[in-house]
Amino acid sequence: AQTVTQSQPEMSVQEAETVTLSCTYDTSESDYYLFWYKQPPSRQMILVIRQEAYKQQNATENRFSVNFQKAAKSFSLKISDSQLGDAAMYFCAYRSASGGTSYGKLTFGQGTILTVHP
Amino acid sequence: EAGVTQFPSHSVIEKGQTVTLRCDPISGHDNLYWYRRVMGKEIKFLLHFVKESKQDESGMPNNRFLAERTGGTYSTLKVQPAELEDSGVYFCASSPQPGQGIYEQYFGPGTRLTVT
Repeated sequence: AQTVTQSQPEMSVQEAETVTLSCTYDTSESDYYLFWYKQPPSRQMILVIRQEAYKQQNATENRFSVNFQKAAKSFSLKISDSQLGDAAMYFCAYRSASGGTSYGKLTFGQGTILTVHP
Repeated sequence: EAGVTQFPSHSVIEKGQTVTLRCDPISGHDNLYWYRRVMGKEIKFLLHFVKESKQDESGMPNNRFLAERTGGTYSTLKVQPAELEDSGVYFCASSPQPGQGIYEQYFGPGTRLTVT
């Protein structure tokens, strides 16, 4: 079974600065997808960024980028030029790409609460 | 376009009672998922519907939980009888028919269930 670990329960950053959230995972599969989701306070979870394991190039979405290290099974999220609206709980998630009945299942980490200071 | 909606937003029940949670996916999304987050722990998968069929129910904790999706539209998750350990936030998500791609699951706001 796959597991996802977020070792930072809480992180904080000053507005306009950069912060990196850590995520490691364990799997025996070679083909999979990785995601970062964001849940602002009292709001629903939304997708921030996604990465296909077979792609070596790190995904980027505006101020959000990932550092995907497949051999190390690491998938960190970097937020540049942090804004107050980035304050949220961030979840790292894994999904198998190998088919079978569980192809839709997301496996989540424990989450990291990000605080942005003005 | 309306997002995924869930009802109720919060439910407080006594141990032994029954509760039914409802999820309305985004219109046209064949795939519907239920997840649960128990206090302080990670979000865990419960089950996955494709239209009205259960594709994967490997995460359902026990037979006190019954999920249905009649007609392939909205879904209900019934807990009967509720136990204290069932307390948590229940999330629903939906996605279009994905094939095997890197598709996004769209999440609802969750139902906070408190069993006392």
